[in-house]
Amino acid sequence: AQTVTQSQPEMSVQEAETVTLSCTYDTSENNYYLFWYKQPPSRQMILVIRQEAYKQQNATENRFSVNFQKAAKSFSLKISDSQLGDTAMYFCAFLFTSGSRLTFGEGTQLTVNP
Amino acid sequence: DTGVSQDPRHKITKRGQNVTFRCDPISEHNRLYWYRQTLGQGPEFLTYFQNEAQLEKSRLLSDRFSAERPKGSFSTLEIQRTEQGDSAMYLCASSLSNRANTDTQYFGPGTRLTVL
Repeated sequence: AQTVTQSQPEMSVQEAETVTLSCTYDTSENNYYLFWYKQPPSRQMILVIRQEAYKQQNATENRFSVNFQKAAKSFSLKISDSQLGDTAMYFCAFLFTSGSRLTFGEGTQLTVNP
Repeated sequence: DTGVSQDPRHKITKRGQNVTFRCDPISEHNRLYWYRQTLGQGPEFLTYFQNEAQLEKSRLLSDRFSAERPKGSFSTLEIQRTEQGDSAMYLCASSLSNRANTDTQYFGPGTRLTVL
């Protein structure tokens, strides 16, 4: 079974600075997707970014980008120009291409300080 | 597109009572998922439907739990004889299963269950 590990329970960053959240996973499969979701306090889970494993190019969405290292099974999220609204719990998640269930990491609580 | 909705948002019940939650997926999404999230943890998969068929159930889904998706639209999750360990956030998600598109799951706001 696949596992997802987020080794940073909490992180903080100053507004306008850049922060990187780490995620590693373990799988024997070759075809899968990786996601970062954001869950603000008392609010719903929102998709931040996704990456298809077969694509070598790292995904980007505005201020959010990933560093996908397939051989190392690493999938980090970089947030540039951090904003107060980025304060949230961030979850890394794995999905088999042919599967259905998302497997989530334990989450990283990110706080953006003014 | 109104997003995934869940009702109720909060439910407080006494141990031993039955509770039922409802999820309305994004219209035209053919897959619907249920997850459970305890405080400070990532969501854990419970079950999912493709249209009206329940295709997979986690071992977390004990006999006291039952889920339905009649007519492939909204879904209900019922917990019978609730226990304090059932206290959690119950999340619903939906996706459009299509070979050309990634099966991205979009989540609802969740139903927070507290069992006293």
